[in-house]
Formats: sequence, structure tokens, C-alpha cells
Amino acid sequence: ELKVEQNPLFLSMQEGKNYTIYCNYSTTSDRLYWYRQDPGKSLESLFVLLSNGAVKQEGRLMASLDTKARLSTLHITAAVHDLSATYFCAVDFLGETSGSRLTFGEGTQLTVNP
Amino acid sequence: GAGVSQSPSNKVTEKGKDVELRCDPISGHTALYWYRQRLGQGLEFLIYFQGNSAPDKSGLPSDRFSAERTGESVSTLTIQRTQQEDSAVYLCASSLRVASRRTGTDTQYFGPGTRLTVL
Repeated sequence: ELKVEQNPLFLSMQEGKNYTIYCNYSTTSDRLYWYRQDPGKSLESLFVLLSNGAVKQEGRLMASLDTKARLSTLHITAAVHDLSATYFCAVDFLGETSGSRLTFGEGTQLTVNP
Repeated sequence: GAGVSQSPSNKVTEKGKDVELRCDPISGHTALYWYRQRLGQGLEFLIYFQGNSAPDKSGLPSDRFSAERTGESVSTLTIQRTQQEDSAVYLCASSLRVASRRTGTDTQYFGPGTRLTVL
């Protein structure tokens, strides 16, 4: 059974600081996704990481993937209040012809304090 | 429409009643997915559709749950004889095509969800 674990689950940080959210998964996966969810809202796709060593950056967020370690990181640089949200990583294992079923981590609730 | 839409946005029902949740995917998206998100938790996969067929129903929690899709468009998730543990946000997502090793991945776009409360 594929398991996805994130840590920390809760993160409170000051504006301007850097921090990293970790996502570990238990079995070989084809794809890793990062999503953002604001309170009461749906999920917004942030990154899709497709191969070992992949790194993607958007603004103050940078995601990386190490498939050998089964680990992805989401690094936050110089946090601002607008980044406060819950961040989910999700992985899928694709069959030869079958569809994707994402397995999600528990989410990391990030609060950036002024 | 611009994105995935779901209705109703909120549903309160009494234990034992049946409920129907609706999802309108992005136009032209052939793949449609249902997930459940319990309070403070990540999403659980329920079922996905490729066109109008559902190759993978293994995520449905019990036989009280069923889903259908017609016209490669709207999908309905039905929960019969609701129980309190069914209370959750039910999220629908769609993607342009069904991802596989042959076709590659395809990002799933999520709707706003239906918050179901079973009293």
C-alpha cells in the first residue's frame, strides 16, 4: 500500500524566514505533485515533478524530487503572509494503461506571521 | 466553464437519508476523479472515470457509495443510507486525459468541493 507522509504537519514561521516541508512516500512512484489549499477553498496545483533530480521553482517556492530516497521537499524562501495555507504532496503510480489515483499526504498547515 | 464546478456547495442531511453530489468537469476533460477529505486530513481517492466508464472503483468505502458519469461530462456521486462517518468534503477533479505510462501524466484540476454533514 502506498503511504505518503509529510512533516511537519503544522508550521508557524516569521515573515522573511526560510523553511522546508518534507514529503516521504513508501513505494516507487511515477509522479509527485504539490498542491496548495486555502481555508474553505479547493486545491490549487503548484508543481508536478516527473523524474529524479527534478527541481521546479515558482516565486518563493521551490520543489525538488529524489526518487531514490523517495523524498520530495518544498522549500520556502523569505516567507510572506500570503503563503499561509495548507500544502499537500501527492504521488501516483501509473499502470501501463490505467489511470492515475493520487495518494495524498496529511498536509502541512503553514502560518506565516508578520 | 472555466473550471470544475460542484453542487451543492453544502449539504446537511439526516442519518439514513440518501444524497447526490454533482460534478461538472472542465469541458473536454475525459478523466474525472472523486476524492473525500475528512476534517484536518488529506484526500482519499474514491473513484475515477475514463469517459463514462469507471475502471477503478476500489476506493469506494462501502457499497452505499456509487457514482456514474454520462455524456463524458457530468458525474454524480450517490451515498445511500448516509452515516455520520460520511461527513466530509467531497472533491471532484478532472484532467484532459487519463494518465498512464504510455500517455504520461496529466494534472488534475479540482473543484471547490461539497461539504456534507450527516446529523
